[in-house]
Amino acid sequence: QVRLVESGGGVVRPGRSLRLSCAASGFSFSSYGIHWVRQAPGKGLEWVADISYDGSNKYYADSVRGRFTISRDNSKNTLYLQMNSLRPDDTAVYYCTNIGITPAFDCWGQGTLVTVSS
Amino acid sequence: DVVMTQSPLSLPVTLGQPASISCRSSQTLVHTDGNTYLNWFQQRPGQSPRRLIYMVSNRDSGVPERFSGSGSGTDFTLKISRVEADDVGVYYCMQATHWPPWTFGQGTKVEIK
Repeated sequence: QVRLVESGGGVVRPGRSLRLSCAASGFSFSSYGIHWVRQAPGKGLEWVADISYDGSNKYYADSVRGRFTISRDNSKNTLYLQMNSLRPDDTAVYYCTNIGITPAFDCWGQGTLVTVSS
Repeated sequence: DVVMTQSPLSLPVTLGQPASISCRSSQTLVHTDGNTYLNWFQQRPGQSPRRLIYMVSNRDSGVPERFSGSGSGTDFTLKISRVEADDVGVYYCMQATHWPPWTFGQGTKVEIK
């Protein structure tokens, strides 16, 4: 069973940092690129970042570039998102997902809520 | 960046009636490999999104046959032949042809009249 489980969300002050994790199981994690997608309260889906299967290529949305860092540890089947200099508009549920890029399967975690507030 | 525009943004539907959602892209989604990478997702209230359709018209395993996708180039459509109560939620199109970034439509909220 393909599964992604996010953790690490919480309430944080503006300007502070937070690291999200996503544990994968049920598929060959090291063979696939994987993404973070977020959803602000009551809003739509926004792509945040992507990392290639081996970690050699990383891409970021303009809204987070220079503040967020995506990484992965294939030995632990885990994806990370280091979020620095957090702002109130970063408040959202953060999903790790393959966004259905491969025809073979589509997988989303349950999401983890990040709230940036003073 | 490719802009994805969905319409309508709100779609009240009577149970058993058809529903149709349009998704238009700001540039063609035909990839240089000849494929068109346009997915449709459903997000039920309180749940994570799930893919319904990949590459324009391929229905995912377990997705009811009443869901179908069509289109080409810049114009795409998701149709529900007969809406059921279980179909309530928000539907998103997403392109994966021109990246980064991967871009979503604004979402279309389907509700029962």
